[in-house]
Order: sequence, then structure tokens, then C-alpha cells
Amino acid sequence: DAMVIQNPRYQVTQFGKPVTLSCSQTLNHNVMYWYQQKSSQAPKLLFHYYDKDFNNEADTPDNFQSRRPNTSFCFLDIRSPGLGDAAMYLCATSRVRQRSEQYFGPGTRLTVT
Amino acid sequence: AQSVTQLGSHVSVSEGALVLLRCNYSSSVPPYLFWYVQYPNQGLQLLLKYTSAATLVKGINGFEAEFKKSETSFHLTKPSAHMSDAAEYFCAVSLGSGTYKYIFGTGTRLKVLA
Repeated sequence: DAMVIQNPRYQVTQFGKPVTLSCSQTLNHNVMYWYQQKSSQAPKLLFHYYDKDFNNEADTPDNFQSRRPNTSFCFLDIRSPGLGDAAMYLCATSRVRQRSEQYFGPGTRLTVT
Repeated sequence: AQSVTQLGSHVSVSEGALVLLRCNYSSSVPPYLFWYVQYPNQGLQLLLKYTSAATLVKGINGFEAEFKKSETSFHLTKPSAHMSDAAEYFCAVSLGSGTYKYIFGTGTRLKVLA
């Protein structure tokens, strides 16, 4: 089945230690999104790629970076995680067309100790 | 500018009772509207979407939603709640241009009582 895969599902990192989260898709969608979701809140968009074109949200901290080496893969790098970065990180994909929905991966739960 | 409001951050219903989750939107252009469900420690799963083909949209798991332009609403309903419906529900509007980013509502947590 075509899908969005995120690895790992659970990640524990130490304060200030860089961490990378991974997302892959078999849907061949142009757009890939990274969201941060804290407890009992809606997902918050960090950035998205339209093919190789990177689009950062204005309020995304510089601590968060992303790479998309090819259509299938996208990575979220947190350069120096703080306690406030503990959250669920969701990857999503979509086609670029009207009324096109986003498909979400299962998420990675990040804990910062 | 587009926005989404979900009234009621927590809703409780008895098993077998009607489920009604409210979503109101604001949009300067014809909106593209979506309902998603999220189970604990899972991603978001699409329940249904408004495509403008029909105002009553049927989705998965017995859910449906009615688009009412005059009320700027897209409320989610299910005739009979099941224990497995307990989850967080998000309404979203697509910006409708460019890469079609979403604006999410704040979510409604549905609790189903036995």
C-alpha cells in the first residue's frame, strides 16, 4: 500500500544533542510537510517542500532544519534540542492540486531529557 | 484570510448516541474543508473532505458532514457513537492555492461513555 512512513516512532535525545527524524513516502507526491504537535494542540506547520523548493514558516525556530534529498525522503534536523522541543513530529504529503488532501505518517514522539 | 473554529474542545456522548462535532470556517474564497481523526500516538487519518460536488459528504467509519455556506459551517456527525470513535478530531481548511497548506482548528476530543 502507498503510504507515509516515519522512523523512528519514538526517539529520546539529550538536551542539546542533535537529532534527525526521517520520513519517506511511496505516494510520489510533490509536497512534503513537517508539523510539530504538542499535547492537546493542533499540528503546527514548521516547513514544507514543493519538490526541491523549501518553504519555511515565519515562526519556525532556526534550530529546526530540513533536507529533501529526493522525492521519497525528507528529514527533520533539530540542531540543539531543548526541553520545549519535546513533541510529536508529523510528516505529511500531498499532490499540488485543488482539493487535494494531505496524507499523514504515524508520527515520531520526541522526548528530550 | 482563512480560519477555522471548532466549538467544544471536549465532547462526551453515550455509546449509541448521536455524535455532533462543530466546525465553522472563514474564507474569502470557496473553501476546501477536511475532517481528520487522530488516535493516541498516531498520525492524522482523513475522515472526509468537501469537494464542492455535494454539500453532504460521506466519509469513513460512518461519519458524514454537511457543508452549509450560509452558516459557514462544516459540522461532523455520526448517527450512533461507538467506543472506538473516542479520539481527537480536527477540522481543517486548505488555503486553496500554491501548495495548499492547511489551517487546522484547535481540535475536539470525543469521549464515548459506555
